[in-house]
Amino acid sequence: GENVEQHPSTLSVQEGDSAVIKCTYSDSASNYFPWYKQELGKRPQLIIDIRSNVGEKKDQRIAVTLNKTAKHFSLHITETQPEDSAVYFCAASMNTGFQKLVFGTGTRLLVSP
Amino acid sequence: EAGVAQSPRYKIIEKRQSVAFWCNPISGHATLYWYQQILGQGPKLLIQFQNNGVVDDSQLPKDRFSAERLKGVDSTLKIQPAKLEDSAVYLCASSLARLAANEQFFGPGTRLTVL
Repeated sequence: GENVEQHPSTLSVQEGDSAVIKCTYSDSASNYFPWYKQELGKRPQLIIDIRSNVGEKKDQRIAVTLNKTAKHFSLHITETQPEDSAVYFCAASMNTGFQKLVFGTGTRLLVSP
Repeated sequence: EAGVAQSPRYKIIEKRQSVAFWCNPISGHATLYWYQQILGQGPKLLIQFQNNGVVDDSQLPKDRFSAERLKGVDSTLKIQPAKLEDSAVYLCASSLARLAANEQFFGPGTRLTVL
């Protein structure tokens, strides 16, 4: 089955700096890669996703890149703000007739003012 | 639109007791998921429903966990009997269709503590 590894487990940056979180997946058949943000005690919320036919996607200060050959994808947050502080989860899914997300272990991002 | 609803939000039980969680997905969402999120880890899929049928329960500990989705809307997840290692947040999610590349919307979760 699919296995998703995520690094780093914690990331501390100063406000205004960039943050990068990296994930690798094991199954080359995976074709959908969402990123979720989970604030303390809250539900996970989708912030951006990418499909396997696209190499990069950007939405304001966040972007995701996908390297299918290397089987890794990354989340980039620019001009970080204290409200970006949260746990971020990557996930991968194959289209086997139904979507099955396998999540990474999460990255705790702390943005200091 | 209203989001995914779950209840209760918190539950404390002793080991070997039973517990049930309830989920009401977003109206019109055919696919419903139950995840277990242990502290410090990512959500792990327990079971997935398409309407009222199970499409994946490969990671559900069937000796103690059960779930149903009567009439293809609300769902309940039950644990009987509970073990200490079942302490976790149980998240329900729903999506519009079963195919890949559909956003899953999560509920607020039920935090279970087993003493």
